[in-house]
Amino acid sequence: ETGVTQTPRHLVMGMTNKKSLKCEQHLGHNAMYWYKQSAKKPLELMFVYSLEERVENNSVPSRFSPECPNSSHLFLHLHTLQPEDSALYLCASSQERWVNTEAFFGQGTRLTVV
Amino acid sequence: GQNIDQPTEMTATEGAIVQINCTYQTSGFNGLFWYQQHAGEAPTFLSYNVLDGLEEKGRFSSFLSRSKGYSYLLLKELQMKDSASYLCAVRDKTGNTPLVFGKGTRLSVIA
Repeated sequence: ETGVTQTPRHLVMGMTNKKSLKCEQHLGHNAMYWYKQSAKKPLELMFVYSLEERVENNSVPSRFSPECPNSSHLFLHLHTLQPEDSALYLCASSQERWVNTEAFFGQGTRLTVV
Repeated sequence: GQNIDQPTEMTATEGAIVQINCTYQTSGFNGLFWYQQHAGEAPTFLSYNVLDGLEEKGRFSSFLSRSKGYSYLLLKELQMKDSASYLCAVRDKTGNTPLVFGKGTRLSVIA
């Protein structure tokens, strides 16, 4: 059982819709991440939050907007997406200041943009 | 730049041993991780190496050579359930910074 929970597991949305992905971690971690996983491509880091502050934004288009209201919750707000944004979106968390700690991943949200 | 290379696909027989290689070129190095990901599921942590040498954990072992920018994951006594993607990831900066992932190696275990 993963300590990182993502909802929804599957999402189909039109290009004009607005939706949000939710991630919740019950591990007491203080860093959370959004990754994008497309077919035949490596996991791509999108956003990093450390102690609820965004510390990294890897040139992600503004149609993706993250929000971290507290150390246990992370959202990814989506609007006016493109078909090429269809992918598996993975949330992960880890504990700051422990350099050898691994990241724990959620099950992901399979997003299809039509 | 950063580059992490792994074979795209591998096939091995149940009960056999398979070695999945990973080479990396990153601006810094602060540890290498291996993850397993079954189709439709979350990646799960397998191993961590930061010093040269072999780390053994049951049927799985991971090796690191920092001077060569090289690691491998060794799976022994293969089982059908080991069919999955195996992701090599590097932490390229000091501190607890996000991991940079390779494309993953899809392993198929056949009878």
